[in-house]
Order: sequence, then C-alpha cells, then structure tokens
Amino acid sequence: QSALTQPASVSGSPGQSITISCTGTSSDIGAYNYVSWYQQHPGKVPKLMTYDVTTRPSGVSNRFSGSKSGNTASLTISGLQAEDEADYYCSSYKPGSPMLFGGGTKLTVL
Amino acid sequence: QVQLLQSGPGLVKPSETLSLTCSVYRGSITVDIFYWSWIRQPAGKGLEWIGRIETSGSITYNPSLRSRLTISRDTSKNEFSLRLRSVTAADTAVYYCTRGWFTGGSNGMDVLGPGTRVTVSS
Repeated sequence: QSALTQPASVSGSPGQSITISCTGTSSDIGAYNYVSWYQQHPGKVPKLMTYDVTTRPSGVSNRFSGSKSGNTASLTISGLQAEDEADYYCSSYKPGSPMLFGGGTKLTVL
Repeated sequence: QVQLLQSGPGLVKPSETLSLTCSVYRGSITVDIFYWSWIRQPAGKGLEWIGRIETSGSITYNPSLRSRLTISRDTSKNEFSLRLRSVTAADTAVYYCTRGWFTGGSNGMDVLGPGTRVTVSS
C-alpha cells in the first residue's frame, strides 16, 4: 500500500482537461507545501513537472498546474495532447522524514 | 547542468549485497541546499523511495529497508552509494539516483540518473 493515494487511471480526449488527485494526511501533504508531481513515459526516466505544489520548472508547459486543498494535492492538465499520455506520480517531502510517493496514475489520451 | 552517472552490476545473487554508485558531474555533492537520494521501480510498478543523504551527512532511510540498507558518500570523488544487503527477488528493479533540494521554503527532486536495471537471480 502506497503512503499517498492516487487513482490507478484517468483518461481524457485531446483538448480536454483532466485532474489527478493525490491524498495524504495532515502529517504530510496537509502539513507542508512540498508536493511534487512527476511524469514518466514508458521506459523513460521520471521528469519533474511541478514542485512546491504549484511551481513549474523551466521548460514545463503551462498546461500543467498543481494545487492543494487540505490533505489532497492535485495535478491538472489542460488542453490534453497525445504526448501527455504517461504515468504520473505525486510525492510529499517532510524534513527529517522519509519521502512519500503515490502509487502512480496512468493517463490515457483517448 | 548537473549530470548523474550510475555504476554497478545489473545482476546480483539472492542473499548477496547490491551495490550501486552515483557519480555527480558539473556539480558538487557538498553544496548546502542539495540532498542526494535513491529511488527504485520494479517492473510495471510505481516508484519507491529508498533513502537520502544530506550535505550535513544526515541520512534518512525508508523504514521498510532500513535494516538492510546503507547509503554513504565520498566527497573526494563527488559520489554517493547504495548498499542493500541480503537481497531477494523482491529487490529486482530499476534503481535511480537523484538530486533534490530543500531550502526551507522550497523542495523538489529535479535531476535523476539514467537508471540501473538490477536483477536478483541465481
């Protein structure tokens, strides 16, 4: 069982928006704004897409946006494109404690 | 841009020790805001965090692996290492070394190594 809970799969059509949730507890996601999201295409190295809940690294499309409410973080992808089809993982960092990952969500672009 | 290069065997026998090294190029492992981690991914499964070593030398381990795990660093070689003892088939995975940062107001893990596929088999 993963420490952070993500839906196993989500899907959407090109041009649509989808949201992936990541649920933790008041001790991790609820306590700190150190939530990151990673994108992983098959056979590839994971790539950082957002950090500090809402910040995008340089070069990441503004179609990707992060948010948080209480113990649940979310990644929204707008204007879905075929290239967005991948696995997505959330993580939560807590100083002095083990990092937590979500179990991963497979995004299918229909 | 910093680059992480991994080395170590791709095949380890059951009950033996898995050893991997991550060499850091175009960056120093002694820069204060960064920490250095290992994560792994069994085939077809999700990411699992293994542990990290901070600039201070402080080490945090995944509790489920702690009894078998050692993470260390060699600052003279600008590299850090993973040793996992008494391995079983369940330790078969792709292992990644990573760079993360923590500044007190910001955190992320932005650089990952290419991954080393490790198979535990006799």
